[in-house]
Amino acid sequence: EPEVTQTPSHQVTQMGQEVILRCVPISNHLYFYWYRQILGQKVEFLVSFYNNEISEKSEIFDDQFSVERPDGSNFTLKIRSTKLEDSAMYFCASSVDGSGEQYFGPGTRLTVT
Amino acid sequence: LAKTTQPISMDSYEGQEVNITCSHNNIATNDYITWYQQFPSQGPRFIIQGYKTKVTNEVASLFIPADRKSSTLSLPRVSLSDTAVYYCLVGDYNTDKLIFGTGTRLQVFP
Repeated sequence: EPEVTQTPSHQVTQMGQEVILRCVPISNHLYFYWYRQILGQKVEFLVSFYNNEISEKSEIFDDQFSVERPDGSNFTLKIRSTKLEDSAMYFCASSVDGSGEQYFGPGTRLTVT
Repeated sequence: LAKTTQPISMDSYEGQEVNITCSHNNIATNDYITWYQQFPSQGPRFIIQGYKTKVTNEVASLFIPADRKSSTLSLPRVSLSDTAVYYCLVGDYNTDKLIFGTGTRLQVFP
């Protein structure tokens, strides 16, 4: 069964550093998403991406965040200057048709010290 | 976006059927109802989606009454591995984002 993969599984970084979280969505999916979940809290939407552009983003997704699909398989989330409050699990998801049926990756645990 | 209300937690025993009900009184005409499951430290997993009446797949059934103001996720014969958080989401079929609430924490006991 095809699945979304994410690397790394755990990333530790110092405050102010840039991080890039990587995702490989399911190959025939056209819609891509990033969510995050702070420990013990709800899953929060960050951004959706379709046809090589952002289709929607949340208030969390400020100028420190960016997304990119650098090639035909990868989808990345960059945080330019990490803050302590960016510590969370970051989930990538993809969907074949932009519906509510989204497939999530295993997540990257980001720890900012 | 329609607000959803579901129980904070439920307990069950292995082999029992579990029904988790979600209220969504202000559901819109274009809204679909989608359920996700999440295990600790894992990404949410799509379970089932429906618009009206009943939908069944290999994992669960989703019952939606005619007024669509509520829905019930039914898990037949749960096992210990069904212990997880279950989320009810309501939104347009072509949604750009999923809005998760706090979900229902299901604990299955042996």
